[in-house]
Amino acid sequence: EAGVAQSPRYKIIEKRQSVAFWCNPISGHATLYWYQQILGQGPKLLIQFQNNGVVDDSQLPKDRFSAERLKGVDSTLKIQPAKLEDSAVYLCASSPIRRQGAYEQYFGPGTRLTVT
Amino acid sequence: AQRVTQPEKLLSVFKGAPVELKCNYSYSGSPELFWYVQYSRQRLQLLLRHISRESIKGFTADLNKGETSFHLKKPFAQEEDSAMYYCALSGRTGANNLFFGTGTRLTVIP
Repeated sequence: EAGVAQSPRYKIIEKRQSVAFWCNPISGHATLYWYQQILGQGPKLLIQFQNNGVVDDSQLPKDRFSAERLKGVDSTLKIQPAKLEDSAVYLCASSPIRRQGAYEQYFGPGTRLTVT
Repeated sequence: AQRVTQPEKLLSVFKGAPVELKCNYSYSGSPELFWYVQYSRQRLQLLLRHISRESIKGFTADLNKGETSFHLKKPFAQEEDSAMYYCALSGRTGANNLFFGTGTRLTVIP
């Protein structure tokens, strides 16, 4: 099966500019996640969607970050305006729904964002 | 609050030697624990989970609720085991979101 796709793979912007990332999950996976991974740290969940509804966005800095998942498939994550501390790898992952317990998450290749 | 601690950022072992990557967690309920691995120039991927109680690529991990640990072990390290290893916890049933540790970079010396 095709894996999780993300684009772009790399992005360099100046602070205060805007940027958007795109993710296409594995076909049939109802749950989609966006993680932020700062250098030297583990991935941190920003937002979780189930179909096109938000399950958890408690860690999303909503003053500058936004995400949507229209039609319950592709998703975009936007940062506006970017700050230097937003420099990180942004990972998208997807998984099927499971009634109990946690399903394996399948990760995309990530987008490396550098804010100068 | 949930927390995953991986005390070693870097770990080097010789080929054929045993390896143990440490992971301790803090969670008030009954978590599910995972090990994810990222090989050079590859995606982050699941290595194993505690509920499966299986050995993957020779690696095993036992959940010790008394010590709140989930250490990853392999009796004989191979060069292809060199990678970044992340311990992760999933808390709320049905939520499926993961909380990751900071990772340990394992280098197996030939």
